[in-house]
Amino acid sequence: GAVVSQHPSRVICKSGTSVKIECRSLDFQATTMFWYRQFPKQSLMLMATSNEGSKATYEQGVEKDKFLINHASLTLSTLTVTSAHPEDSSFYICSQKQGAGQFFGPGTRLTVL
Amino acid sequence: GQSLEQPSEVTAVEGAIVQINCTYQTSGFYGLSWYQQHDGGAPTFLSYNALDGLEETGRFSSFLSRSDSYGYLLLQELQMKDSASYFCAASSYGGSQGNLIFGKGTKLSVKP
Repeated sequence: GAVVSQHPSRVICKSGTSVKIECRSLDFQATTMFWYRQFPKQSLMLMATSNEGSKATYEQGVEKDKFLINHASLTLSTLTVTSAHPEDSSFYICSQKQGAGQFFGPGTRLTVL
Repeated sequence: GQSLEQPSEVTAVEGAIVQINCTYQTSGFYGLSWYQQHDGGAPTFLSYNALDGLEETGRFSSFLSRSDSYGYLLLQELQMKDSASYFCAASSYGGSQGNLIFGKGTKLSVKP
């Protein structure tokens, strides 16, 4: 399956700062990538679909001005959590679809103090 | 709304067989997939069913019945390393291409 990397793997920041998470497709050109969020012991919730060269599509209830997505190339999508607050602490995971399955990056654990 | 139901926890012993069921209610359904997630890790793709019947991949098999809106993941010859959470996920038309709706996950504990 597809190989997806994420950076950073873990980040701790102060409340009010912005955090950028990078998602790279290492072996596949992805016009579409997906961003999920997972709170402890809960399921994955789709936040948005990142589209190369155009605006991201956000799921209902996800603030587009808070979670900025940029998909400037076929191998890189970024998610920026702006003005992060403790309730944004979560596990953020990107994925891309290849064939029948979705292949996930290793995830980024964000802790906002 | 769209939802998937699966048991929250299952416990089994090494060498045994375990079946994790998943019922779904989604509009525009076209396939059911299964993912494994170890604590602290990201999900990994296990299998996908678009047609009714059984798909076998080594020790893991997955089944789908579209008429019953039901599927299951079958794990055979359980090993300790199989202890993880298992998620069923539905693909459906109408949403973003390729996006998935996940069940809440089943935590499998394999005992010696």
